[in-house]
Amino acid sequence: EAQVTQNPRYLITVTGKKLTVTCSQNMNHEYMSWYRQDPGLGLRQIYYSMNVEVTDKGDVPEGYKVSRKEKRNFPLILESPSPNQTSLYFCASSFEVTQFLTGELFFGEGSRLTVL
Amino acid sequence: AQKITQTQPGMFVQEKEAVTLDCTYDTSDQSYGLFWYKQPSSGEMIFLIYQGSYDEQNATEGRYSLNFQKARKSANLVISASQLGDSAMYFCAMRVGMDSSYKLIFGSGTRLLVRP
Repeated sequence: EAQVTQNPRYLITVTGKKLTVTCSQNMNHEYMSWYRQDPGLGLRQIYYSMNVEVTDKGDVPEGYKVSRKEKRNFPLILESPSPNQTSLYFCASSFEVTQFLTGELFFGEGSRLTVL
Repeated sequence: AQKITQTQPGMFVQEKEAVTLDCTYDTSDQSYGLFWYKQPSSGEMIFLIYQGSYDEQNATEGRYSLNFQKARKSANLVISASQLGDSAMYFCAMRVGMDSSYKLIFGSGTRLLVRP
């Protein structure tokens, strides 16, 4: 089954304790991205990657790191989490946009993170 | 600035009636794509419909249609014959860029409640 898998789905942690949210897709997509969703703000892009070893900042990259060592995986790293990073996080992937492919995002199920 | 605006935080509609969810966008790109996603209370993001900037006809997918007015920079979602299962959060999104670098920008969302 074609899917984007995120782990963990739920996490409660404390300020300053490093954590990683994993994301894996089995659709051979070039493009992967992380979003955070906050009430009234919609989804805001944190980082994205056009392909292996290529990553770029989105609109809200502060406090986050990513890596793309393999095509299928795109982990999100919070080196020193703070309470303002409490949010619902989505990983998404897509084929590269061409005249035939629209760039529709396929989303993971979301990871709800609480930082105390 | 590239931006998506959804001005309706919440809406009600009677079951079996049609409803229009508003979306306006701002971009100076000539080539872009417009998407609508549905987020039920379970949290997953479901792709509904896509409209390319060069598409002359409005996109339709079953009960969903996208009313694309390029001069007004609007991409409203029309849901015909509303069902109770349509109660959800709806996000409008815009893809800007092509090929080697692109991103999706989301609006803040509209929560739709279908009344029986």
